[in-house]
Amino acid sequence: NAGVTQTPKFQVLKTGQSMTLQCAQDMNHNSMYWYRQDPGMGLRLIYYSASEGTTDKGEVPNGYNVSRLNKREFSLRLESAAPSQTSVYFCASRRQIWSYEQYFGPGTRLTVT
Amino acid sequence: AQSVTQLGSHVSVSEGALVLLRCNYSSSVPPYLFWYVQYPNQGLQLLLKYTTGATLVKGINGFEAEFKKSETSFHLTKPSAHMSDAAEYFCAVIAPLQGAQKLVFGQGTRLTINP
Repeated sequence: NAGVTQTPKFQVLKTGQSMTLQCAQDMNHNSMYWYRQDPGMGLRLIYYSASEGTTDKGEVPNGYNVSRLNKREFSLRLESAAPSQTSVYFCASRRQIWSYEQYFGPGTRLTVT
Repeated sequence: AQSVTQLGSHVSVSEGALVLLRCNYSSSVPPYLFWYVQYPNQGLQLLLKYTTGATLVKGINGFEAEFKKSETSFHLTKPSAHMSDAAEYFCAVIAPLQGAQKLVFGQGTRLTINP
């Protein structure tokens, strides 16, 4: 049982390049989330998926797109990376019905030059 | 809407001393509250949670927190700090009765333990 996994662990992009961050969970959870973490700002929600087939914007969605590929996988895409997107990105999941705690992946450290 | 304020972005204590990390929340309906810990270069791990019932909740690694509705607080404590407690700690809130889907996190408090 690996929990929540994220790939890659590290990535360096040039401004304007695109990439997709991958996230998968093996806990049969319904909801999945993408956050970014910046110093002094805590975690900010980018997008979330309450259940398979649905996605919604969070606090800071601009510059990002997501795909809930199936119940297990939720990817985050940067179409044209900008230096302001340099951050650590975390994926999380949770069972929906009666449990509100989220389980986090190890993170992807992204640098855009 | 809910919000969380963590007082003190950095807290430093001596090994063996009391750890107190402060969290105040804002919510118009009964909240669920969480504390997470993040060790260097890792993801967040749940320390403890308050949903309903007993207001003093115990978590992993000897941490506990008390929900005080009158003070809108959910402070995290540990009687005796250990070097391994050095990490960043996040308080988070959600309001299930509003159908909320999203946790709202505080800015985090970095805990340093001095030998």
